[in-house]
Amino acid sequence: QKEVEQNSGPLSVPEGAIASLNCTYSDRGSQSFFWYRQYSGKSPELIMFIYSNGDKEDGRFTAQLNKASQYVSLLIRDSQPSDSATYLCAAHSGAGSYQLTFGKGTKLSVIP
Amino acid sequence: EAGVVQSPRYKIIEKKQPVAFWCNPISGHNTLYWYRQNLGQGPELLIRYENEEAVDDSQLPKDRFSAERLKGVDSTLKIQPAELGDSAVYLCASSLAATPNTGELFFGEGSRLTVL
Repeated sequence: QKEVEQNSGPLSVPEGAIASLNCTYSDRGSQSFFWYRQYSGKSPELIMFIYSNGDKEDGRFTAQLNKASQYVSLLIRDSQPSDSATYLCAAHSGAGSYQLTFGKGTKLSVIP
Repeated sequence: EAGVVQSPRYKIIEKKQPVAFWCNPISGHNTLYWYRQNLGQGPELLIRYENEEAVDDSQLPKDRFSAERLKGVDSTLKIQPAELGDSAVYLCASSLAATPNTGELFFGEGSRLTVL
């Protein structure tokens, strides 16, 4: 069973702080990892993807991947109330079959 | 450019009744997905189409669920008969290609099903 694990939260951070969202995955064959943001009652939207070990930065967002530890994280700098949403981590489970496995999501609340 | 369009947005039915959901993907996107999202959970893949061919339907409960994508564009997902446990949001997504490293999935707003 290929699993993606996330702490469901809620994670509360004050406005302007760094929010750190974590994710672990069970399938060592997973190649690519995605962070989606989902506002309440809305559909998921892609924030970032990463497939190489290390950090990948895009504006206020930084994705981090450690394949040896099977660990993915998303850092949100200068958190804003508009960042309040559920963040879904997803892993692609390898060549041959495009199976994107999602975690349950972490609910983030940014307190003004 | 129009996004992924789904209808209906909301559907309330009694158990054992049939229900159908419709999806129009982004123009030019050859890959179409149906996901189911239960409350407090992440989306789970039901079926993936490459053009009109269903290439991954291993998670589709085939005793009551069916899907089709005629002409490789619009798709419908049907449940017959519906059960209480089918209450969920059914998400349609599309992408240019099933390439994991660069293929972004674009989701529709979803169809929220409530089975009474």
